[in-house]
Amino acid sequence: QVQLVQSGAEVTKPGASVKVSCKASGYSFSHYGVHWVRQAPGQGLEWVGWINAGNGQTKSSQKFQGRVTITRDTDASTAYMELSSLRSEDTAVYYCTRESPALNYGFDYWGQGTLVTVSS
Amino acid sequence: SYVLTQPPSVSVAPGKTATITCGGNNIGSKSVHWFQQRPGQAPVLIIYYDSDRPSGIPERFSGSNSVSTATLTISRVEAGDEADYYCHVWDNSADHWVFGGGTKLTVL
Repeated sequence: QVQLVQSGAEVTKPGASVKVSCKASGYSFSHYGVHWVRQAPGQGLEWVGWINAGNGQTKSSQKFQGRVTITRDTDASTAYMELSSLRSEDTAVYYCTRESPALNYGFDYWGQGTLVTVSS
Repeated sequence: SYVLTQPPSVSVAPGKTATITCGGNNIGSKSVHWFQQRPGQAPVLIIYYDSDRPSGIPERFSGSNSVSTATLTISRVEAGDEADYYCHVWDNSADHWVFGGGTKLTVL
């Protein structure tokens, strides 16, 4: 069965960087895009960015451009999202999710989420 | 940038029908997805391409999309439907996915 398993919670300081991993299993990793979505405490969902797991092409929200780097390791079937110059407003649960071309690119499987806390 | 507007909350009695709207400029020309998110859980895709249901989603959930408003309809509402619901579209002008602000469905 398809699974996306994310790395554990992180506590980090303002100005630092954080890197979250998302290990995929149960499907051919290179055939699907992986998105990152975040949710601040008590708030809604916010799209962070995407990677084509096949060719490594990325897009990100303009809000995060220059601060977010999305990569993948096809041998490890793992996608990564690194966010730099962290501020308290970046405190959120970060989810990875797979897009499904068969479902008109709907996000059909999600990781369990990784809580990133930015605090001095 | 493209904005999707949802009512913050909707309340409905068990067994009745809940309607959650998602407004956006010319949203009828876009493909709308809907997610359900229960407290403490990851979102679940319940509607894609305006009105299609992924495997395993009950027929009680349906969607439509017209001109400036997309609608999620939940028939015969159950206590387990209590959750936050989000609409979601691709904004091709900004090359960017957009979520609505979310609607909290309360089952009375």
